[in-house]
Amino acid sequence: KAGVTQTPRYLIKTRGQQVTLSCSPISGHRSVSWYQQTPGQGLQFLFEYFSETQRNKGNFPGRFSGRQFSNSRSEMNVSTLELGDSALYLCASSFRAGAYEQYFGPGTRLTVT
Amino acid sequence: DAKTTQPNSMESNEEEPVHLPCNHSTISGTDYIHWYRQLPSQGPEYVIHGLTSNVNNRMASLAIAEDRKSSTLILHRATLRDAAVYYCILRAPNSGGSNYKLTFGKGTLLTVNP
Repeated sequence: KAGVTQTPRYLIKTRGQQVTLSCSPISGHRSVSWYQQTPGQGLQFLFEYFSETQRNKGNFPGRFSGRQFSNSRSEMNVSTLELGDSALYLCASSFRAGAYEQYFGPGTRLTVT
Repeated sequence: DAKTTQPNSMESNEEEPVHLPCNHSTISGTDYIHWYRQLPSQGPEYVIHGLTSNVNNRMASLAIAEDRKSSTLILHRATLRDAAVYYCILRAPNSGGSNYKLTFGKGTLLTVNP
């Protein structure tokens, strides 16, 4: 069974721009969660989608948004990028909602200059 | 949110058992204890989870104290591939609802010596 895939793997953007990251979950998984990982703050939960509905949200500004499609693929969007948004963005899928056994992708490394 | 406390780092020798401790003195009755690990340059990997009873799977064992204020992840025979950051996490309900989220701490960096 294929694992969680994330595209692109690396991205360089300029302050003020926006970015869209993509995540394809494991086949049959309907929950997708997004995390931000930085050296200073560690792994922080962004949001979770299940069956196209946002089920849970972390403490991030409204510039961070996401959506999930009917095939469970998910996208995350960050608008008006700031230098502090430079991070590894990880996507995790699971069969059930609610942070059960999660399978993580390799992440997208975003650098904001 | 209930928090976990783990040592910053631990060292082990290859082929020996490793006991990774985690304190969670403010755990509530509905919190599950999850363990994930993150190998260098990879996303986190699910290891094991439990509520009250000890749990075993092909990767590890989880021993949970009777009062649930602490737990220990046991790797029975460490290999070089087990070198990673190990996260002990409480799967806690989000405030105001029944949705759950994982709150990762700093984790324990496990070094395995050949």
